[in-house]
Amino acid sequence: ETGVTQSPTHLIKTRGQQVTLRCSSQSGHNTVSWYQQALGQGPQFIFQYYREEENGRGNFPPRFSGLQFPNYSSELNVNALELDDSALYLCASSLVQGPYNEQFFGPGTRLTVL
Amino acid sequence: GESVGLHLPTLSVQEGDNSIINCAYSNSASDYFIWYKQESGKGPQFIIDIRSNMDKRQGQRVTVLLNKTVKHLSLQIAATQPGDSAVYFCAEIPSLGTYKYIFGTGTRLKVLA
Repeated sequence: ETGVTQSPTHLIKTRGQQVTLRCSSQSGHNTVSWYQQALGQGPQFIFQYYREEENGRGNFPPRFSGLQFPNYSSELNVNALELDDSALYLCASSLVQGPYNEQFFGPGTRLTVL
Repeated sequence: GESVGLHLPTLSVQEGDNSIINCAYSNSASDYFIWYKQESGKGPQFIIDIRSNMDKRQGQRVTVLLNKTVKHLSLQIAATQPGDSAVYFCAEIPSLGTYKYIFGTGTRLKVLA
């Protein structure tokens, strides 16, 4: 069984640029959630995708957007990057079988905005 | 508002001793809680979960206790080992079906040889 994978591992961008992060969900999982984890903090929920549609969103501005593809992989796009966007971005996948679904996390993408 | 916090940012324990990591949550309607372990350079790893209709659940070397009266969650690790060194997060799901996990800040556990 393949776990959650994310790419790239590390990324450096400058303020104002745009970035796309990618996530492949664990085999058989149809739901993907994205989290932002600032240094020394817990992960903060950005949004979740189920059946290619956004299914819940945290307190993040519209410049954070996403996509889910038919194979359940997902992208996180961030426009007009700001210095505070520097963080570890985590993707988690789960299988919708009821309310108590364990989320399996990938290793994350470390984004640095200069 | 929704928040999950931890009392101790850093916990140092001797190898072989028991560890107790605490967590306070604010949403009394939360129905599901999870403890995650995060090692350096890795994503959070599931340790153990508990539903609000339970007050205790045991796993291998780990026990989670839930006190809904005071909205408190704890993780007990028996016979702490060097491999247990990591940051531990508690997370709550405040709304069934949305899968939105609310994480706390985290506690760093250091195991001393």
